[in-house]
Amino acid sequence: DADVTQTPRNRITKTGKRIMLECSQTKGHDRMYWYRQDPGLGLRLIYYSFDVKDINKGEISDGYSVSRQAQAKFSLSLESAIPNQTALYFCATSDSGRAATGELFFGEGSRLTVL
Amino acid sequence: GENVEQHPSTLSVQEGDSAVIKCTYSDSASNYFPWYKQELGKRPQLIIDIRSNVGEKKDQRIAVTLNKTAKHFSLHITETQPEDSAVYFCAASMRSGGSYIPTFGRGTSLIVHP
Repeated sequence: DADVTQTPRNRITKTGKRIMLECSQTKGHDRMYWYRQDPGLGLRLIYYSFDVKDINKGEISDGYSVSRQAQAKFSLSLESAIPNQTALYFCATSDSGRAATGELFFGEGSRLTVL
Repeated sequence: GENVEQHPSTLSVQEGDSAVIKCTYSDSASNYFPWYKQELGKRPQLIIDIRSNVGEKKDQRIAVTLNKTAKHFSLHITETQPEDSAVYFCAASMRSGGSYIPTFGRGTSLIVHP
């Protein structure tokens, strides 16, 4: 089945370290997103990309950067991790165009702990 | 930008009862309202959605209603079952450049007691 895959699924790191979370998809979608989930705060958008040459900031982009290496790959980087970036991170995809339904397809999540 | 408020944050019901989760949004341009269910340890998945040209939509035991004038929409689950226990997220979005960028509510943890 076509899917959205995130690596790593779990990561523990120390303050100040650089971390990269990777997302790849076989759904053939052109839109990709990174969300952060914290208990009681819901899903908040970090960055989104409409295609390889298009990157847009979401509501909480400070402290994060992204790279769209190919239509199927979208990575999230924390240049210098800090403890309040401890969270569950989700990559998501969606389709565009006239047939687009608006549905987001999420990956399984990457749990990041910054000590 | 869009702001979505979701209530309650926690909802506990007995099996067989109904459950209602309510959301309000701020941007009158929003025209697409999905609901996602996230089971424990799983990814969020779309369970139902409604567009602004429709007032109500049903799918078996779940239904969503939309009041555009009041800018609120609700999820209704009838005859709840233990497998309905999960976190539910509402979202509001508008179509832009061929895509919808949803703003999510904070989530409702639904607990169904057998």
